[in-house]
Amino acid sequence: DIVMTQSPDSLAVSLGERATINCKSSQSVLYSSNNKNYVGWYQQKPGQPPKVLIYWASARDSGVPDRFSGSGSGTDFTLTISSLQAEDVAVYYCQQYYSFPLTFGGGTKVEIK
Amino acid sequence: QLQLQESGPGLLNPSGSLSLTCSVSGGSISATTYYWGWVRQPPGKELEWIGSVSYVGNTYYNPSLASRVAISVDTSKSQFSLRVSSVTDADTAVYYCARHCGDSAYFPFDYWGQGTLVTVSS
Repeated sequence: DIVMTQSPDSLAVSLGERATINCKSSQSVLYSSNNKNYVGWYQQKPGQPPKVLIYWASARDSGVPDRFSGSGSGTDFTLTISSLQAEDVAVYYCQQYYSFPLTFGGGTKVEIK
Repeated sequence: QLQLQESGPGLLNPSGSLSLTCSVSGGSISATTYYWGWVRQPPGKELEWIGSVSYVGNTYYNPSLASRVAISVDTSKSQFSLRVSSVTDADTAVYYCARHCGDSAYFPFDYWGQGTLVTVSS
């Protein structure tokens, strides 16, 4: 199984400041034939299902604010919120869909400082 | 707008079987080649993929659950279902149904149901 390790477990950021979440996969999730990284990022607010923000490591889903961005390749990935807003308080998960079983990271809780 | 809705019993006895159905509206399961999946989340814990199914019934399961899990699809009702046998308290979780945003299970999930809490307790 590919293990997705997120860091930190939680972080508190001031409104308008940058939040950075890291995700490391136990093996590469870069598919060489199409040069795509099979990683997505989700946002989950209390009592709600996850919502996809980023797929293929850096492609923003339709309607997702451009303050959210994804980067990285191979085994190391980052989700950045460039200017934290109050509505961004949530738990964020990375997921690999490169191989079965599909696996998620342990989550990073983002709060307002 | 595509909508998914889980339904099924919320309380089960240990050693029993869990059966959930996901009803898809705003679009037909059989009209497209998307894959559909089940994900669960124990209270306060991370997400766990259970398995996925295509509109023609091809399935992929998490090996950690494969011996107890079956996922099926009923295109006539635009539904897909999950069955987990021999449940224990470790199966207590919110169960989500979701759609892969592509024609295989090698895509992320773009639409999710609201989730249903299943509690296993005597």
